[in-house]
Amino acid sequence: GNSVTQMEGPVTLSEEAFLTINCTYTATGYPSLFWYVQYPGEGLQLLLKATKADDKGSNKGFEATYRKETTSFHLEKGSVQVSDSAVYFCALSKNDYKLSFGAGTTVTVRA
Amino acid sequence: SQTIHQWPATLVQPVGSPLSLECTVEGTSNPNLYWYRQAAGRGLQLLFYSVGIGQISSEVPQNLSASRPQDRQFILSSKKLLLSDSGFYLCAWSVGFLRGTATEAFFGQGTRLTVV
Repeated sequence: GNSVTQMEGPVTLSEEAFLTINCTYTATGYPSLFWYVQYPGEGLQLLLKATKADDKGSNKGFEATYRKETTSFHLEKGSVQVSDSAVYFCALSKNDYKLSFGAGTTVTVRA
Repeated sequence: SQTIHQWPATLVQPVGSPLSLECTVEGTSNPNLYWYRQAAGRGLQLLFYSVGIGQISSEVPQNLSASRPQDRQFILSSKKLLLSDSGFYLCAWSVGFLRGTATEAFFGQGTRLTVV
């Protein structure tokens, strides 16, 4: 079946550091890929998405590129802020009405 | 625009008591609806999903049930709560497919359930 594997962390960074969270997936064909962010005590918010190979999703300084050849969708941000502290989830969706989520990566950014 | 409402935000219930969590979506028709559970420090577990009124698919056998009495209403229930039912419950909706592409889901703010 469809599945997502992501770096679990936790990840602790200093402000303005570079962030990368690895995400790989298993699925047949071409799933849609997503990154969600969850701030403490809240639901999940869609951060960015990509629906076909080589697409780059971007939002709020975060980027991720859909790599079919490596089945990956790594999340990156060049300069993190304290406000980026959250849990990040990689997810995929295909033709079965469901989103499959990774385990989540907790990111803490220190001032 | 579409919005999703989920309530209550927090709930403390004794073991053996019933449960009813409600979720409603506004601004769209015939959405796919989902209930997820997130245990403390863990990922998301899909509990139920629904692609239409009265159509419920269960992902994990458990002490919970779901119902969809109206197009944009999704209810999570239990007759007798267990300690292990504690967690953060999230409702979500999606349009499913748009021009052949699987679309994202949009989440409510969640319900923190503590069974004591």
